[in-house]
Amino acid sequence: DAGVIQSPRHEVTEMGQEVTLRCKPISGHNSLFWYRQTMMRGLELLIYFNNNVPIDDSGMPEDRFSAKMPNASFSTLKIQPSEPRDSAVYFCASTTEQGYEQYFGPGTRLTVT
Amino acid sequence: GDSVTQMEGPVTLSEEAFLTINCTYTATGYPSLFWYVQYPGEGLQLLLKATKADDKGSNKGFEATYRKETTSFHLEKGSVQVSDSAVYFCALSGRRGGSEKLVFGKGTKLTVNP
Repeated sequence: DAGVIQSPRHEVTEMGQEVTLRCKPISGHNSLFWYRQTMMRGLELLIYFNNNVPIDDSGMPEDRFSAKMPNASFSTLKIQPSEPRDSAVYFCASTTEQGYEQYFGPGTRLTVT
Repeated sequence: GDSVTQMEGPVTLSEEAFLTINCTYTATGYPSLFWYVQYPGEGLQLLLKATKADDKGSNKGFEATYRKETTSFHLEKGSVQVSDSAVYFCALSGRRGGSEKLVFGKGTKLTVNP
């Protein structure tokens, strides 16, 4: 199994640009989570989906952030427009509905200059 | 709301020393408890879990016991190795299953010196 796949692994962009992060969950997993990790705030849940439906997006910082899951094997997190304070590592994780373990991807390190 | 508090780091130990990382939680109902580990440059991995009171989770020499009376889930290892250097996260889930969101502590960085 390839595990959770995230792309790109690193992204450097200028303030104001649109950024799209991608995630492919493990096949057969029906729950997907987006997290953001920074030194100041630690690990924060942004949004999660069950069976492609957003369940809780209360962690999404503001309207500049949006997430979609058009099918069971793909999700995107978009930031438009990006700001320097969005610089962080963004993780995607997936699990089964009855599973205990969330499987994390390697993360996308985003730098907004 | 639910929350997790774990000891501030960083923690620096010599090889073969005893490790304790404290974790306490606040939650309604009967949460499941977890320890995740993050090695440099990687995502988080589940280290161990406990789903009900008095359960002991264990893996790779690490242990943690779910103490409902003290709302704690402290991580211990009797003899750490250099390869244990990582960031450790305590977490809880409000239901018995992974499809509910996890609430994480802020993480404790462990460095083990040879």
